[in-house]
Order: sequence, then C-alpha cells, then structure tokens
Amino acid sequence: KQEVTQIPAALSVPEGENLVLNCSFTDSAIYNLQWFRQDPGKGLTSLLLIQSSQREQTSGRLNASLDKSSGRSTLYIAASQPGDSATYLCAVLKETSGSRLTFGEGTQLTVNP
Amino acid sequence: DAGITQSPRHKVTETGTPVTLRCHQTENHRYMYWYRQDPGHGLRLIHYSYGVKDTDKGEVSDGYSVSRSKTEDFLLTLESATSSQTSVYFCAISLNSWGEHGYTFGSGTRLTVV
Repeated sequence: KQEVTQIPAALSVPEGENLVLNCSFTDSAIYNLQWFRQDPGKGLTSLLLIQSSQREQTSGRLNASLDKSSGRSTLYIAASQPGDSATYLCAVLKETSGSRLTFGEGTQLTVNP
Repeated sequence: DAGITQSPRHKVTETGTPVTLRCHQTENHRYMYWYRQDPGHGLRLIHYSYGVKDTDKGEVSDGYSVSRSKTEDFLLTLESATSSQTSVYFCAISLNSWGEHGYTFGSGTRLTVV
C-alpha cells in the first residue's frame, strides 16, 4: 500500500526566509507527484506537477524536486511571504492505483510578517 | 476553479435523510473523483468514474453511491446520512488514468449531518 508522509506537520517562519517542505513515499512506481496548496476552508490549488521522468519543476518562487528511487520530493519556497501561509499537500499517483491519488497529511505553513 | 464546480457549497441535513452532491466539469476530462477530507485522516477517495456509467469504489465507499450519466456531471449520494458523514467533500477531475496533466479539484462542499 502506498503511504505518503510529510514532514514537518507544521512550520512557522519569519517573512523572507527560504524554506523546504518534505514529502516521502513508500512505493517508487509512480506516474507523477503533485504539490497542492490549501487555504483554510478552501479547495486544493495545484502548484506543481512532476512526472516520473522529471527531476524538478519550477513556478515563480516555487521549485519542486523528485527523487523517485529514494521516494522523496521537496518543495522549496524562496523568499517566503505572509501570503504563502497555507497547508501544503503532496500527492502521488501510483502506477497500479487505477488513477487514485494518495495524499500526505500536509504541512501547515505560517509566514510571520 | 474554472472548469469544475460543486453544488451546494454548504449543506446541513438531518440524520437518515438522503443527500446528493453534484460535481460539474467543463473540461471534458474522462476521470472524475469524489474525496472526503477529515482532520486526522487527510483526503480519502470515496468513488471515482472512468467514463459515462463507469464507476468504481474507493477506500471509504460504504454508505455512498455515485452516478455519471453525462461526461460533465458526477453525482455523489448519501442514501441515509449519518453523523459520521459530516465532512468536506471534494470533487476532482483528471484527463486520463496516468495523470498527464495532474488533478484539478473543486472548491468543496461542507456537509453537516445533525
């Protein structure tokens, strides 16, 4: 069974700091990994999608890496801002899952002004 | 999110009553999913559909049924609502089974069963 773990569960940083969120998964046979952002009481917004053949993806201040062999992904946020405060979720699509995403529990990020 | 809408956004219902949640997409994606999100459990798949009239169970399907009569609509029905089904329900879509463009989620329906 695919399990996805996110560390840390919560993180509080001052504005301007660079930070890294971690995601690990137990089964390396995946199609892709997707990072989402969720604001309180809202839906999930897709941030970055990394296919299994890719090593990283970038969008603005966000950079996500994928190391399939070790079952790890990181989300790097540069020059954090208070508006980045949210819960960040990673999800993997396993090859034998029948198109079912498996989610981690998320990292709750607070960026203090 | 453009392309996928859920209705209603909020609903309060009484134990034992039937409830239907609707998901509508304009992206013509083949796959549609219903998830529920609960504290301590994260997001869990209830049911999904891989085409019109083609559906399958997820990990927490007991007490739920689904229907998909058109590509754009995926309905989730709680036959007889219970307090344990109080949750936030999310619909999602994907183009194909290997997530070529990833998943897109709706804004959610907050359901309270009293």
